[in-house]
Amino acid sequence: DTAVSQTPKYLVTQMGNDKSIKCEQNLGHDTMYWYKQDSKKFLKIMFSYNNKELIINETVPNRFSPKSPDKAHLNLHINSLELGDSAVYFCASSLYTDTQYFGPGTRLTVL
Amino acid sequence: AQSVTQLGSHVSVSEGALVLLRCNYSSSVPPYLFWYVQYPNQGLQLLLKYTSAATLVKGINGFEAEFKKSETSFHLTKPSAHMSDAAEYFCAVKTSGGGADGLTFGKGTHLIIQP
Repeated sequence: DTAVSQTPKYLVTQMGNDKSIKCEQNLGHDTMYWYKQDSKKFLKIMFSYNNKELIINETVPNRFSPKSPDKAHLNLHINSLELGDSAVYFCASSLYTDTQYFGPGTRLTVL
Repeated sequence: AQSVTQLGSHVSVSEGALVLLRCNYSSSVPPYLFWYVQYPNQGLQLLLKYTSAATLVKGINGFEAEFKKSETSFHLTKPSAHMSDAAEYFCAVKTSGGGADGLTFGKGTHLIIQP
């Protein structure tokens, strides 16, 4: 059973398009996160949600909008995609302050 | 603000040799510290974590790390490297009172195992 899952695993799209990445966790956690890993493998927090409430919104362009329909899901919607958005996006979840468990990642390529 | 510095973007060791990956942190409050491993084209897997209990922390796959407050370090070691240890290793910090704060990661160390 996959604890934190993401779909799709790969996403190739054109500049200017709008796309979404879905994340689901079956661990019963109450906090979910989105991280971005750039081409140099540097990982940076983008958002965190606790009980469906936005807690952290780092300096991320407002083209990125997280949506949490329930505690088990945190989706990432990206409008007007740009070349610089190409990266691997990781979803993670935790039980509030406890260890964060990561999904397998979604590799986004913007052409 | 907190930060993590991993010395050495690439570390190469021979199979069977000691593995030492260095991590220094900066935090204004007691930290929680983590080591994650990332195999090619995969997500991050937790190796071990320090949360203010024992300063010597044992993790999976024979890895361990020691928290040294005086040196603000949390170096990762393994007595004998195996070919399967080749991967990217990330040290991360979170403030102990940080609630739903995200992790602050170091830039990663690529571990290469020579046969």
